Amino acid sequence: EDQVTQSPEALRLQEGESSSLNCSYTVSGLRGLFWYRQDPGKGPEFLFTLYSAGEEKEKERLKATLTKKESFLHITAPKPEDSATYLCAVQSPYSSASKIIFGSGTRLSIRP
Amino acid sequence: NAGVTQTPKFQVLKTGQSMTLQCAQDMNHNSMYWYRQDPGMGLRLIYYSASEGTTDKGEVPNGYNVSRLNKREFSLRLESAAPSQTSVYFCASSEVILMNTEAFFGQGTRLTVV
Repeated sequence: EDQVTQSPEALRLQEGESSSLNCSYTVSGLRGLFWYRQDPGKGPEFLFTLYSAGEEKEKERLKATLTKKESFLHITAPKPEDSATYLCAVQSPYSSASKIIFGSGTRLSIRP
Repeated sequence: NAGVTQTPKFQVLKTGQSMTLQCAQDMNHNSMYWYRQDPGMGLRLIYYSASEGTTDKGEVPNGYNVSRLNKREFSLRLESAAPSQTSVYFCASSEVILMNTEAFFGQGTRLTVV
């Protein structure tokens, strides 16, 4: 059964304090791994897609990396506006169609 | 530049009532999805439609039905609402292209069943 597990559930950092969020996955083949950002009261917003082990993507203070079993979202020198819930999702090519499965998210809070 | 539009944004139902949540996308995407989001449980897939004319069950389909009316629209129906269906519902769409399959989400429908 395809499964996605994110840790920690919640993370509080001081502004400027770098850290990483983890996404572990179990799928029968990986078509893509996605990171999304979700602000309170809004729908998730796409950040990155990673397709193969060793791949890295960057956007401002965020960097996503991928291994064969997990992905990390590294946050460098975060600012209060980076506070949000970060969701990881995977897509398997062996399901009957384009099905995307999400983890439960990491709630990130950055204190000024 | 609307993207994915959901209606209504908020709804309160009594147990046993029925309702339909509407979703429309203007990006010419093939695939559409309905998710529910509950505290501490992340997004769970209810139903999805890989392309116009097809629908499939996701993780938690019980108590729901869907209709892919055309390429743009994908509706979710609750035939007899139950308190356990109190949740935030998100519709999403994606284009199934090998190197570009991120999903775009609507703003959500906050449903309370009393």
